[in-house]
Parts: sequence; structure tokens; C-alpha cells
Amino acid sequence: DTGVSQDPRHKITKRGQNVTFRCDPISEHNRLYWYRQTLGQGPEFLTYFQNEAQLEKSRLLSDRFSAERPKGSFSTLEIQRTEQGDSAMYLCASSSTAGDDTQYFGPGTRLTVL
Amino acid sequence: ELKVEQNPLFLSMQEGKNYTIYCNYSTTSDRLYWYRQDPGKSLESLFVLLSNGAVKQEGRLMASLDTKARLSTLHITAAVHDLSATYFCAVGEGSQGNLIFGKGTKLSVKP
Repeated sequence: DTGVSQDPRHKITKRGQNVTFRCDPISEHNRLYWYRQTLGQGPEFLTYFQNEAQLEKSRLLSDRFSAERPKGSFSTLEIQRTEQGDSAMYLCASSSTAGDDTQYFGPGTRLTVL
Repeated sequence: ELKVEQNPLFLSMQEGKNYTIYCNYSTTSDRLYWYRQDPGKSLESLFVLLSNGAVKQEGRLMASLDTKARLSTLHITAAVHDLSATYFCAVGEGSQGNLIFGKGTKLSVKP
């Protein structure tokens, strides 16, 4: 078990471009979460999946953001028409409802919008 | 709406000293987590606390939970430089899976 992985680790883009991030959870973890963290703040919840179903979305998740987990394994987070305010670390976490539901975090994708 | 407050936000300690970080939350929850984050790195799970009165210890760190007071504490005993990091508490929101995080406590342990 190699833990949660995310790709890419860093992304620099120009305002208005679309970006997509990928998260591979710990195998057999049925829950997958996306958070956003800005400098000096705690992570803020964006959305989560149980298997392939997207069960909750934060008010922070504007209509420019979309997330998928098509086969209940890896997930993608797409941001359309990026804005400078989207610059942040995007963290993915996974957990198992069979255990204590502790969320294990990936290394994150740092997005910089110029 | 669940709110999580940590204090202090910054803590400068000398090696060998003891201190406590506090985490207050505003509404009932059945799960509370403590995480550690080193600069530029992701979050590492430290403790999960699931019931009133729960106490967990790992090395120089001990976490406890009082659900009636909506308070968790992270106690540091005889601090060492390696404990320098930012510590977050996170509280489960209702029956949903998401966590609400505090702003974090940046701990600096000086020799």
C-alpha cells in the first residue's frame, strides 16, 4: 500500500485556462475527499465521494469546479476558466468506513494561476 | 454551522517544556482528529478520538476529548525540536464524511 497519490504535484497556468488534477486513493478505501488549502489556513472541504457517488459538495465549489470518480477508484478534479483566487494547494484524502474513517491525505497539487 | 477554533495559533517553546494546544468546536460531533503538517508537506494523521473521555498517547503527544465541553486538547510533554510543525484539529460534521479544520497551531521548539 503506497498511500494516496496525486498528480501533478505542481501546476502553473494562466488565468482562464482549464486544469485537471488526479487523485489515486489507498486501495479499497471507499471514501475519497477533496480539500483546498491556502497559505496559513487549515484545509477547506470541497467535495467527497463514497464509491462512485458524489455525496456532498461545499458551497465553496463553484460551478467552475467539477469532480468525478467514475469507477469508484481514482478521482479527477477539474477547474474551468481558472482565476487567480484559485491558487492554492489541492489535497485529496481517502478513508474506509470499515475502520475509524480516518482520512489519509495525499501530497497535494499546488496550483498557481498567473 | 460547525466552527472549530484552535488556540494558540502560534507557540514558541523551549526544549524540555510542557504545553497544551486547545481545540474548541461549536456543535455536537462524534469524531475529532489531530493532524501534523510540516512546511510544504501534506497532513499526517496523529490521533482519532471517537468518544467522550477518550485519551490517546503517542510518544510526547497526548490527545483527549471532552464532548460535553466540545473541547479537545493536545498535550506536549518535554518538547523536542522534531515536534516543530503545524498541528491541526479537525471535527467531523454531522453524519457526513467531511471534516472542518481549525486554523492550525504553528509550534516552534527552540533549543
